[in-house]
Amino acid sequence: EPEVTQTPSHQVTQMGQEVILRCVPISNHLYFYWYRQILGQKVEFLVSFYNNEISEKSEIFDDQFSVERPDGSNFTLKIRSTKLEDSAMYFCASSAPLNSPLHFGNGTRLTVT
Amino acid sequence: AQSVTQLGSHVSVSEGALVLLRCNYSSSVPPYLFWYVQYPNQGLQLLLKYTSAATLVKGINGFEAEFKKSETSFHLTKPSAHMSDAAEYFCAVSLIKAAGNKLTFGGGTRVLVKP
Repeated sequence: EPEVTQTPSHQVTQMGQEVILRCVPISNHLYFYWYRQILGQKVEFLVSFYNNEISEKSEIFDDQFSVERPDGSNFTLKIRSTKLEDSAMYFCASSAPLNSPLHFGNGTRLTVT
Repeated sequence: AQSVTQLGSHVSVSEGALVLLRCNYSSSVPPYLFWYVQYPNQGLQLLLKYTSAATLVKGINGFEAEFKKSETSFHLTKPSAHMSDAAEYFCAVSLIKAAGNKLTFGGGTRVLVKP
């Protein structure tokens, strides 16, 4: 069965550094998402992406965050200047038709020191 | 706006016993509801979904959930727990818009299965 793949599985970075989290969604999917889960807290929506543009974003997704689909297969989340509170598990997801379930990757654990 | 409440952050069951995980939602429109499972060091895997068809939904691994509109609930059950059911379970409600399917998750319930 096709899977959403995320790299790296773990990322450690210093405060203030830029990080790029990478995702390869399922190939025929049209909708792409990033969620995050801070340790011990709920899974939170960050952003959705459709037709090469952001379709919705949460209040968490401020100017430090950006998403891109650079080459038709990858979907990336960039954090420009990481803060300690950005430490979390970041999940990429994709879906095909609009009302189909989201398929999630295994996540990237980001630790900001 | 929609929200999801899962009663009990931790549930402990004996192997072979009934598993019952509670989920209540609020939504301004008819909801789509989902249960996801997260095994250690893995992503979120879809267990089952309710999308306004049958109110009793069967999923993978012997799980099922019943949508009760009058109670705004979508509780997850499995008649007989197996050791492999130890995981964290998330209930989620979906608001489907033209440009995306945004999920709002509950806080999760971690299931421990005792031999």
